[in-house]
Amino acid sequence: GDSVTQMEGPVTLSEEAFLTINCTYTATGYPSLFWYVQYPGEGLQLLLKATKADDKGSNKGFEATYRKETTSFHLEKGSVQVSDSAVYFCALKGFQKLVFGTGTRLLVSP
Amino acid sequence: ETGVTQSPTHLIKTRGQQVTLRCSSQSGHNTVSWYQQALGQGPQFIFQYYREEENGRGNFPPRFSGLQFPNYSSELNVNALELDDSALYLCASSPWGLGYEQYFGPGTRLTVT
Repeated sequence: GDSVTQMEGPVTLSEEAFLTINCTYTATGYPSLFWYVQYPGEGLQLLLKATKADDKGSNKGFEATYRKETTSFHLEKGSVQVSDSAVYFCALKGFQKLVFGTGTRLLVSP
Repeated sequence: ETGVTQSPTHLIKTRGQQVTLRCSSQSGHNTVSWYQQALGQGPQFIFQYYREEENGRGNFPPRFSGLQFPNYSSELNVNALELDDSALYLCASSPWGLGYEQYFGPGTRLTVT
């Protein structure tokens, strides 16, 4: 079945450092890909999405490109802030349900 | 535009009891999906409702059941609660169809003792 694999955390960075969180997927067909963010004690917020190969999703300085050849959707940000500290989930969606990775906790220190 | 809302926020139940969780979908969204998120894990798909009928289910036993109402709001019912049912239950709404993103509510934290 469909699955998503994320790098394990926590990822610990200093403010203004470059961020990469790796995500690879296995799926039949051509899923849409998403990054969601979860702040402590809250639900999931959609961060960005891409619906087809070579699409780049971007939002709030975060970017991810849908790479069909490597089945990847890595999340990047050029300069992280303390307020970016949260858990990040990579997910894919076929027609119906979202399939999530296990999440990567990001900790950004001043 | 009102987002997805869920109630209650927190709930404590005893093993063997039954619980009902509620979700109001975002305006214009006719599809509701429920997910279970155990501590430290990613959300797992429970089931989806469209046109008041269950439209797909994940690997959850029949004691997890649901309803969708004509206004697209939804309920998740869990019977015979077990300790492992302790989790954050997330509701997500979306339009019906391929490629639409799902928008999540804040969740209901269920603790079973």
